[in-house]
Amino acid sequence: DAMVIQNPRYQVTQFGKPVTLSCSQTLNHNVMYWYQQKSSQAPKLLFHYYDKDFNNEADTPDNFQSRRPNTSFCFLDIRSPGLGDAAMYLCATSKERGTSGEQYFGPGTRLTVT
Amino acid sequence: GQNIDQPTEMTATEGAIVQINCTYQTSGFNGLFWYQQHAGEAPTFLSYNVLDGLEEKGRFSSFLSRSKGYSYLLLKELQMKDSASYLCAVLDSNYQLIWGAGTKLIIKP
Repeated sequence: DAMVIQNPRYQVTQFGKPVTLSCSQTLNHNVMYWYQQKSSQAPKLLFHYYDKDFNNEADTPDNFQSRRPNTSFCFLDIRSPGLGDAAMYLCATSKERGTSGEQYFGPGTRLTVT
Repeated sequence: GQNIDQPTEMTATEGAIVQINCTYQTSGFNGLFWYQQHAGEAPTFLSYNVLDGLEEKGRFSSFLSRSKGYSYLLLKELQMKDSASYLCAVLDSNYQLIWGAGTKLIIKP
C-alpha cells in the first residue's frame, strides 16, 4: 500500500544532542511537510518542500533544519534539542502545492528530550 | 491574523449524535478540511468542503457556510471508537493549511 512512513516512532535524545527524524513516502507526491504538534494543540507547520524547493515558515527556529535528498525521503534535523522541543513530529505529503488536495500523514515520531 | 476556533472538549453518549462546530477567519479560503486524530496517532482525513452545503459520508457529515465563516462536523450513531480529537483546518489564499487546536470528543457508554 502507498503510504507515508516515519522512523523511529519514538525517539529519546539528550538536551543539546543533535537528532534526525526521517520520513519516506511511496505516494510519489511532490510536496512534503514537517509539522510539530504538542499535546492538545494544532499542528504547527515547520517547513514544506515542493519538489526540491524548500519553504521555511517565518517562525520556525534556526535550530530546525530539513533535507530532501530525493522525492521519496525527507529529514528533520534538530541541531540542539531543548526541553521545549519535546513533541510529536508529523510528516505529511500532498500531490501538488496550490491545490485543494488532502494531506496524507505519517504515524509521527514522538520526541522526548531528557 | 488567521484564526480557527473550535470547542476544546465535548462529551456524548454511544449511539447518539454530536455536532462539532468550527468558525474561521482566514486570509482567503480554498476549502475546509476535517481530520480525525486518535491519541498518539497522526491525523486522518475525514472530509473536505469548498462549496456551501452539506457533504454526507456514511455516519459523518460536514457542513459549510462561507458567508458565516462556519462549519460543523456531524457524527451519527456514535461508537466508542469515535473517541478522538477532531481537527478543523482551512486552506488559505496561499494554499497553506491553517489548523484549529482540535476538539476532544469523549464517548460514554
